[in-house]
Amino acid sequence: EVQLVESGGGLVKPGGSLRLSCAASGFTFSSYSMNWVRQAPGKGLEWVSSISSSSSYIYYADSVKGRFTISRDNAKNSLYLQMNSLRAEDTAVYYCARGEWELPYWGQGTLVTVSS
Amino acid sequence: QSALTQPASVSGSPGQSITISCTGTSSDVGGYNYVSWYQQHPGKAPKLMIYEVSNRPSGVSNRFSGSKSGNTASLTISGLQAEDEADYYCSSYTSSSTLGVFGGGTKLTVL
Repeated sequence: EVQLVESGGGLVKPGGSLRLSCAASGFTFSSYSMNWVRQAPGKGLEWVSSISSSSSYIYYADSVKGRFTISRDNAKNSLYLQMNSLRAEDTAVYYCARGEWELPYWGQGTLVTVSS
Repeated sequence: QSALTQPASVSGSPGQSITISCTGTSSDVGGYNYVSWYQQHPGKAPKLMIYEVSNRPSGVSNRFSGSKSGNTASLTISGLQAEDEADYYCSSYTSSSTLGVFGGGTKLTVL
């Protein structure tokens, strides 16, 4: 069974940093592209970042470019999102999701709250 | 990255059919067959219901179907059931961005 479990969310002050993790199991992690998608409270979905299976291709939304860094460790079956210079508008539930243009598997999400 | 356009809300009675539209441009919905639809219940993660315009993942009811005409994709739910009440999001590959793009979401109410 495919499982994606996010962790690392929490309350952080504006300008602060946070590192999200996503532990994957039940499939060959190194064979799939992975993504971070976020959802602000009461709002829609926003594709944040994606990384190819071997980390050769990495993409970011304009809203996070230069502040967020996606990475993966295929040996540890883990996906990461390093978030720096956090802003109030980054407050959201962050989901990791497997796939390329369609996302058949999602984690349960981790809440990031940016507030003073 | 501009969001795809969906109606904010739709409603229908049990047993009826409803259709949710998703309008983009020739750079996304109209130009490629990488349109997906997701169902999201409150407090839950999104669930893939349709991929590549009209394909259903294993386990998704055949009451859900997808189609596309020009720059507009559609999700049709037939034989509405109470458990279909949820938010629905479309998404598409887009040549104008290196990431996919989502629609703004549609709240389906089963009356």
